[in-house]
Amino acid sequence: DTAVSQTPKYLVTQMGNDKSIKCEQNLGHDTMYWYKQDSKKFLKIMFSYNNKELIINETVPNRFSPKSPDKAHLNLHINSLELGDSAVYFCASSQDQGRELFFGEGSRLTVL
Amino acid sequence: ELKVEQNPLFLSMQEGKNYTIYCNYSTTSDRLYWYRQDPGKSLESLFVLLSNGAVKQEGRLMASLDTKARLSTLHITAAVHDLSATYFCAVPPGAQKLVFGQGTRLTINP
Repeated sequence: DTAVSQTPKYLVTQMGNDKSIKCEQNLGHDTMYWYKQDSKKFLKIMFSYNNKELIINETVPNRFSPKSPDKAHLNLHINSLELGDSAVYFCASSQDQGRELFFGEGSRLTVL
Repeated sequence: ELKVEQNPLFLSMQEGKNYTIYCNYSTTSDRLYWYRQDPGKSLESLFVLLSNGAVKQEGRLMASLDTKARLSTLHITAAVHDLSATYFCAVPPGAQKLVFGQGTRLTINP
C-alpha cells in the first residue's frame, strides 16, 4: 500500500493550458504539503494544509490553486501554464505541522 | 528567514573511503531531518534528530546534531556504490514546514 500517492506521474503540455495533480495519503496525517523541485534539485514549499485549512501559501502565483476536500487529499490545479512551471511537484504529509515529511513519488511537469 | 546550507554540494569519492556532509542553518531549531533522493525518485527519510547531541546510525551512515552550533553532520563510513544519491537536510523554522538545504549530490566510484 502506497502511503502518499500522486497522479499523474508525468504531464507534458503546452504553454497556456491548465492541468491538475492529485494527491492522497493513507497515513492518517493531519497536514499535507506541495513542494516544487526545480531542475537544480532545489526543494521549495508551495502550500500546506492542516485538516483542510490552508496554513502556508509561499507567495506562489495565483495561477496555482490548491484544494483539500478532506484531510487525506490535496490537489493542485495550475492555470495558464508557463515554461517556468516545468518542475517536479511533490506532495507530502506529516502527522503534524513541521514534523517528518512522507513524500509521494512526484509528478514531473513539462511545459512546452 | 531561515537559511539551510549544505556543504559540499557535489561529492565524488572512492569506495571504501570516509566522508562527511555538513548542514548549517541560520535560526534556532531543536530538530533536523535527513533525506535521501535517488535519481528520478522520491525523497526517503533517513534520520530524525530531535535534540541537541542526538546521534543516529543506520549501516554506514551516521548523523548528528549540534543545536548550539546550528550544525548537523552526515558521516559516511567505508562508502559503497549503493550510497550514491542526493542527500538533503531539512529544518523546521517555527513549527509549520520544513526548509530544505540545497542537497549534496554524492557519487561513489568503484
